[in-house]
Amino acid sequence: SQQGEEDPQALSIQEGENATMNCSYKTSINNLQWYRQNSGRGLVHLILIRSNEREKHSGRLRVTLDTSKKSSSLLITASRAADTASYFCATYGGGSNYKLTFGKGTLLTVNP
Amino acid sequence: GAVVSQHPSRVICKSGTSVKIECRSLDFQATTMFWYRQFPKQSLMLMATSNEGSKATYEQGVEKDKFLINHASLTLSTLTVTSAHPEDSSFYICSAAQRGGGVEAFFGQGTRLTVV
Repeated sequence: SQQGEEDPQALSIQEGENATMNCSYKTSINNLQWYRQNSGRGLVHLILIRSNEREKHSGRLRVTLDTSKKSSSLLITASRAADTASYFCATYGGGSNYKLTFGKGTLLTVNP
Repeated sequence: GAVVSQHPSRVICKSGTSVKIECRSLDFQATTMFWYRQFPKQSLMLMATSNEGSKATYEQGVEKDKFLINHASLTLSTLTVTSAHPEDSSFYICSAAQRGGGVEAFFGQGTRLTVV
């Protein structure tokens, strides 16, 4: 079942602006991951943040995690047209089956 | 990073026929592979989890006799859509978890199935 809820569902910005996407989840997690999907393609792993971490950076990406609110945010700074894609959060609850539960995704459009 | 190859990327088949989709981990051994279905502009819906050498675990509501999953080796899992109908048309994506490699999932490129 999909437990993650991303908002906004769609976001349109101009190149150079920052984009912030949020994700909420319902159950306890071991970690939360963000993925990117270009139209009609598979998913690319962007960043993983563990439940005992509050913030993580990777290049132009910044992820925060608030386990008390069961929410996470993904910030893309200085966006580029090539960042146009759908972004999904996925939660991992622990255990050996590596099962991820995906949110509904945010469609980001970066206009040149 | 680890590479997962999914084949074919696109397939068109006639109603009533069966279609096989392959998912291969090219440079690592995949303890577990996952099969997802994605409808247009929607999220990924997990269909089943397969572990090498054992039967797949299907999610509630997924017909195991219609969506046959075989995970015969640590690098290959297949999904066969049997007796396909137009409503089976969708985007199917596999992912693989690396043995001893933590919980990051590596995804295939996806397969666009169209049943006519």
